[in-house]
Amino acid sequence: DIQMTQSPSSVSASVGDRVTITCRASQGISNWLAWYQQKPGKAPNLLIYAASSLRSGVPSRFSGSGSGTEFTLTITSLQPEDFATYYCQQANSFPPLTFGGGTEVQIK
Amino acid sequence: EVQLVESGGGLVQPGGSLSLSCAASGFTFTSYAMSWVRQAPGKGLEWVSAISGSGGTTYYAHSVQGRFTISRDNSRNTLYLQVNSLRADDTAVYYCAKGRGDGITSFSYYFDYWGQGTLVTVSS
Repeated sequence: DIQMTQSPSSVSASVGDRVTITCRASQGISNWLAWYQQKPGKAPNLLIYAASSLRSGVPSRFSGSGSGTEFTLTITSLQPEDFATYYCQQANSFPPLTFGGGTEVQIK
Repeated sequence: EVQLVESGGGLVQPGGSLSLSCAASGFTFTSYAMSWVRQAPGKGLEWVSAISGSGGTTYYAHSVQGRFTISRDNSRNTLYLQVNSLRADDTAVYYCAKGRGDGITSFSYYFDYWGQGTLVTVSS
């Protein structure tokens, strides 16, 4: 099974800050990676797929990069509505599909 | 507008069973793979099972293999998850999620729409 490891597990940031979240795969997954945002009590929301493709309607301050085993999600100029938990997910090799443990973006 | 509405959750004793449903609308149901993803209270996301658009291919997480069965009725635009031999660690919100393709390629296993979830609590 492919293990997905996110870091950090939480980050404190202020509105306007740049935030970078890292996701590492235990083996190469090419670019078969997605990023999701989840707010408390809500279902996850797909932000990015294929490592760097921005889903239609998602603000351009979100971007993804990486290939192989290391990936990043970057939020430039953090907005109040961006405080949430972010998950990566690999779709290269399954079953099982696997998610990272999550990164909580908190208000500083 | 794509809508996914889960139902069937509840409180069940260890060893018990439930049947979860997900009613889909707003897209051509048969053209898309569907999955169930769960989230234990205060924990992260765990993929449970997936089924291709035709229903001919299914996948399961190791933790539920042999206990859970995924199926779909494309004439009713409904996804199902039969959950048997429930354990305390199956307690979670169960989400149904729509894939971005019909299940043939990995692209199908990015989840672009999710339901609101149904809570399954396993406790005596």
